[in-house]
Amino acid sequence: GNSVTQMEGPVTLSEEAFLTINCTYTATGYPSLFWYVQYPGEGLQLLLKATKADDKGSNKGFEATYRKETTSFHLEKGSVQVSDSAVYFCALTTQGGSEKLVFGKGTKLTVNP
Amino acid sequence: NAGVTQTPKFQVLKTGQSMTLQCAQDMNHNSMYWYRQDPGMGLRLIYYSASEGTTDKGEVPNGYNVSRLNKREFSLRLESAAPSQTSVYFCASSSKGLAGVYNEQFFGPGTRLTVL
Repeated sequence: GNSVTQMEGPVTLSEEAFLTINCTYTATGYPSLFWYVQYPGEGLQLLLKATKADDKGSNKGFEATYRKETTSFHLEKGSVQVSDSAVYFCALTTQGGSEKLVFGKGTKLTVNP
Repeated sequence: NAGVTQTPKFQVLKTGQSMTLQCAQDMNHNSMYWYRQDPGMGLRLIYYSASEGTTDKGEVPNGYNVSRLNKREFSLRLESAAPSQTSVYFCASSSKGLAGVYNEQFFGPGTRLTVL
């Protein structure tokens, strides 16, 4: 079946540090990959996505590249800010099949000034 | 354009009580979803509806029922609440893109439910 594994948190960084949150997946077919972010007290919102191999999704300084050979979609940001403190979820859905999203368990990021 | 709205925001129930969580979207999306979020478990799909008039079970459907009232509204009912159903519940919706690719899901703000 389809599954997503992302690095366990919590992650604590200082402002302007480099961020990597690892995400690997198992899927049948050709999945689309997503990173969602959940700010405290809010619902999830899409951060970025990639729909085919070698695509790079980017938004708000965050990037992730769809790596089919390593079945990975790691999230990176070169310089984090306090406002990036949130929970980050990696997710996938398979094209042409189920429309359901499969989520990782989430990684909580705290950025200190 | 409100996106996805959910009511209520907070609810406390006693074991055995029933209640319905309401969800509505104004984006003309075909698909709607109910998730629960528990610490350390991520989001788990309870039920979803691919189109008006259809519903299907997700990963954790036991103890819940749903109704897709029309294209806009998708409700979740707990017939006899149990402490294990204490959670944060999120509704989401999405549209179908080209060539069967599903677009991003848009989430509501959530309902925090406590069952005593």
